[in-house]
Amino acid sequence: GESVGLHLPTLSVQEGDNSIINCAYSNSASDYFIWYKQESGKGPQFIIDIRSNMDKRQGQRVTVLLNKTVKHLSLQIAATQPGDSAVYFCAENRPGAGNMLTFGGGTRLMVKP
Amino acid sequence: KAGVTQTPRYLIKTRGQQVTLSCSPISGHRSVSWYQQTPGQGLQFLFEYFSETQRNKGNFPGRFSGRQFSNSRSEMNVSTLELGDSALYLCASSLGGAITEAFFGQGTRLTVV
Repeated sequence: GESVGLHLPTLSVQEGDNSIINCAYSNSASDYFIWYKQESGKGPQFIIDIRSNMDKRQGQRVTVLLNKTVKHLSLQIAATQPGDSAVYFCAENRPGAGNMLTFGGGTRLMVKP
Repeated sequence: KAGVTQTPRYLIKTRGQQVTLSCSPISGHRSVSWYQQTPGQGLQFLFEYFSETQRNKGNFPGRFSGRQFSNSRSEMNVSTLELGDSALYLCASSLGGAITEAFFGQGTRLTVV
């Protein structure tokens, strides 16, 4: 089936810097996107979501950008902290799929103190 | 408000056995989705239950089944276990109806030996 970027790259950043995690999705019908953070031994933790009628959404220290033209999603984390170290997943949903989410492969974020 | 509760946290089973995992969603949430997470395949959707009915199903064999009770609690069952079924099984809770934020439990780590 269609997938959202199946691989696990690693992003290493210095504490205090901004982080940008990218995600490509393949289904142009997708209209809802979520970012999750998963720490070792834990379930995915909801970070922020965005619907396709928006290009940008901001939360606390996080911003999600959606570019529907190139089917690209990004998560920006401001002033990255050691506690941000985790694997980050993007997930998408499309109309008619209920609450079914299709996940990307994830990106590991490592924050150097 | 209590989060999503999955039991048990850890399980070790032998090939050929069957297993039942349980998920209690957030109070008021009517949608429960199940996912399998493995290092090789990432997070893959198993099925979603909404108001006691299976609303969506992923590409897994019939050995994987589930159900939802009137109080929205859900169980999933895997029969005739195979070594490849070893994984972290995650449950996600949503309000239901149209897609909204999905909140995950800690997961059940199943090891098949």
